[in-house]
Amino acid sequence: DAGITQSPRHKVTETGTPVTLRCHQTENHRYMYWYRQDPGHGLRLIHYSYGVKDTDKGEVSDGYSVSRSKTEDFLLTLESATSSQTSVYFCAISKREGQNEQFFGPGTRLTVL
Amino acid sequence: KQEVTQIPAALSVPEGENLVLNCSFTDSAIYNLQWFRQDPGKGLTSLLLIQSSQREQTSGRLNASLDKSSGRSTLYIAASQPGDSATYLCAPSIKAAGNKLTFGGGTRVLVKP
Repeated sequence: DAGITQSPRHKVTETGTPVTLRCHQTENHRYMYWYRQDPGHGLRLIHYSYGVKDTDKGEVSDGYSVSRSKTEDFLLTLESATSSQTSVYFCAISKREGQNEQFFGPGTRLTVL
Repeated sequence: KQEVTQIPAALSVPEGENLVLNCSFTDSAIYNLQWFRQDPGKGLTSLLLIQSSQREQTSGRLNASLDKSSGRSTLYIAASQPGDSATYLCAPSIKAAGNKLTFGGGTRVLVKP
């Protein structure tokens, strides 16, 4: 257990609605990441954070925004969900900055109808 | 842009046989490389982290080798067991902002009793 929780674990929503996914860590690690996993595309980085209020884009950031107002929470927001954002979303943390070993949360399965 | 390939995409072996999983990457300027295991419907479990300066890393029945100059890593699993059935993912990271991981498509392993 890497001390990472994600909420909700499952969500079904409709196209055009806003959605926020939460990642919570209990160990005050600096780096946090959001990935999505899709068949045929593998895992791809959406956004990451290197500290409170410090975030940057990943490979597939269009349509997503993030916020980190506290060390322990990293939020991923879909401002207006689309069917192409149906995916499994994983949060990860990097526990040891010198080594950058990443540990993953259990995932959130999001379905956009 | 880093590209990661894992061959084979799927592998089926009888229990007790040794497993050899291959990972190749295009950009050899990596910081480290991580091997993960993913069970169906679950998150990723970190198996091994091998630093760019290392040639090998071992944990129990698992051994990972790294040849950075040729862009290859191999995960060996000795004396496979049915509980080793899962998808195995490799992910090198680049020493840049965020030390972001790039994932391969994975090798799906089935160990038959």
